[in-house]
Amino acid sequence: DTVLTQSPALAVSPGERVTISCRASESVSTRMHWYQQKPGQQPKLLIYGASNLESGVPARFSGSGSGTDFTLTIDPVEANDTATYFCQQSWNDPLTFGSGTKLEIK
Amino acid sequence: EVQLQESGPGLVKPSQSLSLTCSVTGYSITSNYWGWIRKFPGNKMEWMGYISYSGSTSYNPSLKSRISITRDTSKNQFFLQLNSVTTEDTATYYCARYEGTFDYWGQGVMVTVSS
Repeated sequence: DTVLTQSPALAVSPGERVTISCRASESVSTRMHWYQQKPGQQPKLLIYGASNLESGVPARFSGSGSGTDFTLTIDPVEANDTATYFCQQSWNDPLTFGSGTKLEIK
Repeated sequence: EVQLQESGPGLVKPSQSLSLTCSVTGYSITSNYWGWIRKFPGNKMEWMGYISYSGSTSYNPSLKSRISITRDTSKNQFFLQLNSVTTEDTATYYCARYEGTFDYWGQGVMVTVSS
């Protein structure tokens, strides 16, 4: 299975720029997607195909990368961005998710 | 608007079967793919499988011997059955529409496996 590795947690102040990384154990081309999950809610799709912004998602969110290294950037961060962010790949079977990065806003 | 809602028992005994229903409104399940994903305590997420617009299925090999996903197109519902559950199957279970990504999700249902 393709293992997706994310750093477990980050803490930033409002207005700052934050990058959340996801490294794949093998190439996933650009079939990497990012989700935001707030406590008690279902995951919400933010970015698909590594860099495409899902409809309705603020332009503060952006994604980049290809192959094995991917980044989700939030610039500027707002207080309500407190959440866990997951990456997910759809290039290799089975579909797999990263372990999530918990973002705290100071 | 596409909406999904999971339903089913919140408590299942070890060795029994877990059965969940996903009711879809605003979109026909005879289009696209429809999947089940679970999130374990501690945040790990696992794709379990999906059923296609034609009724064909694909499952995570880690579950292949225990899982079945079926559907009722007349009710616009699809179903998850997971057999021989253990405490390791305790998780929040989500249904979602899959179109290369999981773009619409249900609220999730927490299932505890315990005697």
